[in-house]
Amino acid sequence: NAGVTQTPKFRVLKTGQSMTLLCAQDMNHEYMYWYRQDPGMGLRLIHYSVGEGTTAKGEVPDGYNVSRLKKQNFLLGLESAAPSQTSVYFCASRGTAKGNTIYFGEGSWLTVV
Amino acid sequence: AQSVTQPDIHITVSEGASLELRCNYSYGATPYLFWYVQSPGQGLQLLLKYFSGDTLVQGIKGFEAEFKRSQSSFNLRKPSVHWSDAAEYFCAATYSGGGADGLTFGKGTHLIIQP
Repeated sequence: NAGVTQTPKFRVLKTGQSMTLLCAQDMNHEYMYWYRQDPGMGLRLIHYSVGEGTTAKGEVPDGYNVSRLKKQNFLLGLESAAPSQTSVYFCASRGTAKGNTIYFGEGSWLTVV
Repeated sequence: AQSVTQPDIHITVSEGASLELRCNYSYGATPYLFWYVQSPGQGLQLLLKYFSGDTLVQGIKGFEAEFKRSQSSFNLRKPSVHWSDAAEYFCAATYSGGGADGLTFGKGTHLIIQP
């Protein structure tokens, strides 16, 4: 019973490198989300998706791209990493019914040097 | 704009003492409300949630929260804290009218337990 799985869990990048974080959910959820967590800032929404093939911007989308080619997967890409993107990234998903619980992944710790 | 405010950045409580963490929200309509806990280096664990009905909500680990519409508050309480309760606590809200809105989080309260 995996729920929401994020890979990788830890990554160190050099400034300017690119990478992709993968989020996979096995609950057949329509909605998926990417958040970043920074000290003293709580969690802020980067991008989200309301279904396969759709994406939308959240509160802090700059510097990130996302794709939802398959319903179960939601990818977060950094095309040219910057030190300001050092953060903990959380993926989440939920079903469409009102009040459905949002399920979070375990987090991905990214450091950009 | 929708927002969730946790006025206390840090709170220090003696082990065995009672605890109250404050949370205020600003939404057009009463949102769904949540409290999460995060231990260092870990993910988020849902403590409890409020959708409607009884304004006193019981959660896991002995926590409860009370929804007060008149004060736009959803404060978290525990009668007697344990050293293992030391963690970061987040209050969060989402629009209750349906749709894909994600959670809006407060900035968190860091709970320190004194022996």
